[in-house]
Amino acid sequence: DAKTTQPNSMESNEEEPVHLPCNHSTISGTDYIHWYRQLPSQGPEYVIHGLTSNVNNRMASLAIAEDRKSSTLILHRATLRDAAVYYCILRESNSGYALNFGKGTSLLVTP
Amino acid sequence: EPEVTQTPSHQVTQMGQEVILRCVPISNHLYFYWYRQILGQKVEFLVSFYNNEISEKSEIFDDQFSVERPDGSNFTLKIRSTKLEDSAMYFCASSRDRLNSPLHFGNGTRLTVT
Repeated sequence: DAKTTQPNSMESNEEEPVHLPCNHSTISGTDYIHWYRQLPSQGPEYVIHGLTSNVNNRMASLAIAEDRKSSTLILHRATLRDAAVYYCILRESNSGYALNFGKGTSLLVTP
Repeated sequence: EPEVTQTPSHQVTQMGQEVILRCVPISNHLYFYWYRQILGQKVEFLVSFYNNEISEKSEIFDDQFSVERPDGSNFTLKIRSTKLEDSAMYFCASSRDRLNSPLHFGNGTRLTVT
């Protein structure tokens, strides 16, 4: 059962870039790396996902290490609205349908 | 952008009563899920549903819980006899496929059991 490790919390200044790290040293070759976030009093929200190559979308970028044992979610310019809990989750190809949330990283953005 | 909608936003019920939480997934999605989050705790998987049957369930999803897709658009979670410890936020989600597409979550139903 592949797992991820994230820092409990991080802090960033508004309008600065934020790099949220995630370790997943037991990842297997067909596991996708997913990132979700949960704003206060809301449901989880999809951010980005990838398999091997770096990915960009309108919300963020995902940088995946060459050995795939770690990844970094990059918010290019943090806003107050980005304050949330960020979850790095492996979507395991051989473990069924569930997306299993851990404790995530609580991101605080200060003006 | 299409979204998952859940009703009601808040449900208060007495212990022992049955409750049905409703969800309308995104229309072209094929996989449906229920999660719950007890206050201050992590998001927990309950059940996934595909092709009109349960595809996976967690230990939390015991005989008191059931899911149904009654009419091709709604997806419901029923708790037959609620307990105090069922008080939580319940989130519905849907996805287009099992592995490579994201889950889209609703904003949840807050269930309070008194």
